Amino acid sequence: DAKTTQPTSMDCAEGRAANLPCNHSTISGNEYVYWYRQIHSQGPQYIIHGLKNNETNEMASLIITEDRKSSTLILPHATLRDTAVYYCIVRVDDYKLSFGAGTTVTVRA
Amino acid sequence: DTAVSQTPKYLVTQMGNDKSIKCEQNLGHDTMYWYKQDSKKFLKIMFSYNNKELIINETVPNRFSPKSPDKAHLNLHINSLELGDSAVYFCASSQDVRGYNEQFFGPGTRLTVL
Repeated sequence: DAKTTQPTSMDCAEGRAANLPCNHSTISGNEYVYWYRQIHSQGPQYIIHGLKNNETNEMASLIITEDRKSSTLILPHATLRDTAVYYCIVRVDDYKLSFGAGTTVTVRA
Repeated sequence: DTAVSQTPKYLVTQMGNDKSIKCEQNLGHDTMYWYKQDSKKFLKIMFSYNNKELIINETVPNRFSPKSPDKAHLNLHINSLELGDSAVYFCASSQDVRGYNEQFFGPGTRLTVL
């Protein structure tokens, strides 16, 4: 799998948008970008995934650059419950998710 | 209703013992997984089963033996427990064998080996 680089941590104000960057400069054409998050003491939770096009669901938006070497996860209106570790994962056509260190996001009131 | 459940939630045991962790999913998924999250919080896949058949075995010591009695259950048996086995173990499931769809994770089992 292509490696990803994420900031170690970031703070966000409650009610504001949180923009979480991820670099994946060695991504291949058939590799998807996945985002998961892990709230303290819970199992990871799927957020969103995409290949080339931008994606949006009820939780977040995923913006992938045209060259696919980076992406941004956007939480449109962060709440205190969004405080978690966010993982950006790039994977090929296999069965595995390879989690890195992720970004610890702290939403402050 | 819990989608992916694990028992027990906490497990404290002595070195050398044998223990099992159970996992059940009621989502009708074909594929189930075991992950290990160590003290540094890195989450690594251990095993994956599809329709009761092992499809991933990630260089895990053979003291760890997964068993899938049916596609809704994937249990993890650990023999001769060692201190380094202390971790949180997560079970997960997904709808299709390649896992392109989201993986649903259980709440985790915190194993402490003394």
